[in-house]
Amino acid sequence: QQQVKQSPQSLIVQKGGISIINCAYENTAFDYFPWYQQFPGKGPALLIAIRPDVSEKKEGRFTISFNKSAKQFSLHIMDSQPGDSATYFCAASMKGTDKLIFGTGTRLQVFP
Amino acid sequence: ETGVTQTPRHLVMGMTNKKSLKCEQHLGHNAMYWYKQSAKKPLELMFVYSLEERVENNSVPSRFSPECPNSSHLFLHLHTLQPEDSALYLCASSQGHDQPQHFGDGTRLSIL
Repeated sequence: QQQVKQSPQSLIVQKGGISIINCAYENTAFDYFPWYQQFPGKGPALLIAIRPDVSEKKEGRFTISFNKSAKQFSLHIMDSQPGDSATYFCAASMKGTDKLIFGTGTRLQVFP
Repeated sequence: ETGVTQTPRHLVMGMTNKKSLKCEQHLGHNAMYWYKQSAKKPLELMFVYSLEERVENNSVPSRFSPECPNSSHLFLHLHTLQPEDSALYLCASSQGHDQPQHFGDGTRLSIL
């Protein structure tokens, strides 16, 4: 109930391609869904976040798609660049709580 | 620069040692967090402090002891650790419920 399942575990994409990472959850009380990006030797950094009242949010090349009925959300990275190579984590939390539940992470490699 | 500074960056200790991890945030936030990040596992929330009061203790063994003397500083006191405690320990801060969490770059802890 408290888990967030993330796939794939790793992803290799050609430069200019689209990277897609998927997450699924069970707990319908979750109402905040952030994505974090982590480079080696660094802490996770907030990339983009969405609440369930919208189905899509776009910031530059990064888009979150949210499907409330399927309890799934995904991160799309358009025109992927080698500098996007990092580990990406989805997360979820319930309204009024500080507790973020994280997915297991996806290691993205973008080759020139 | 994330605004959250953790020291030391690396720590090697024996199972009988006592050491402390330090976190300082320069963002004016009023909530601080300790997370454990192990390979191939989701980030695990350990402790949450809100307005210097501990509001979450996520079933963490007593060999980990947090301290929050003020809203800008957070410590994690370690004693009699086990080899399975080797991990990256991340500190984060936020403005509170439902607000983005900002992470430091972590302390890489190795238990011999």
